Amino acid sequence: ILNVEQSPQSLHVQEGDSTNFTCSFPSSNFYALHWYRWETAKSPEALFVMTLNGDEKKKGRISATLNTKEGYSYLYIKGSQPEDSATYLCAFVKDSGAGSYQLTFGKGTKLSVIP
Amino acid sequence: DVKVTQSSRYLVKRTGEKVFLECVQDMDHENMFWYRQDPGLGLRLIYFSYDVKMKEKGDIPEGYSVSREKKERFSLILESASTNQTSMYLCASSPPTGTGAKNIQYFGAGTRLSVL
Repeated sequence: ILNVEQSPQSLHVQEGDSTNFTCSFPSSNFYALHWYRWETAKSPEALFVMTLNGDEKKKGRISATLNTKEGYSYLYIKGSQPEDSATYLCAFVKDSGAGSYQLTFGKGTKLSVIP
Repeated sequence: DVKVTQSSRYLVKRTGEKVFLECVQDMDHENMFWYRQDPGLGLRLIYFSYDVKMKEKGDIPEGYSVSREKKERFSLILESASTNQTSMYLCASSPPTGTGAKNIQYFGAGTRLSVL
């Protein structure tokens, strides 16, 4: 079983604060790294799919970076809003050669934004 | 819009019952997945399927089986439910590898199963 770690496990921030969290994954056999947002009572939704070392992706106030050589990705939220409250999951996709179907998820970072 | 539908949001069953969790996707995706989510453990893969009638074990297949008779439908079966199978179950689908989607997954809303 692959080791995908996320930190911190949870955090509380004030509205307007910027924050970031980390996903670490195996640095070998890399195919892709995904970030998902999972709001309470909703389905997890993909935020970013990252494939190249040095990739930076941005969607509004949320951005992510990728370092495949050292095996980590950061997710940044600028000016947090209450609607950003959710669990953020990263998922590692291993290059298995024949076709990579399987995602290995981290345990998630639960973000609570206090108004 | 992409849609993955799970048949029940909440389900209560008794120990020893046979339980079927159904999942349907309308995106013509080849790949479908069943996960369970438990506090402190994250999403863990139970089974997946990359084609009709094909199935592969995930990380925690014990106590479960699956059925994929049609492309759009993937069923998770608990042959004899036990209390340690009380959990949130999530279904997902993804387009085939090589389409540029890099295995992005689309999830259902989840079924919260309680086994008493």
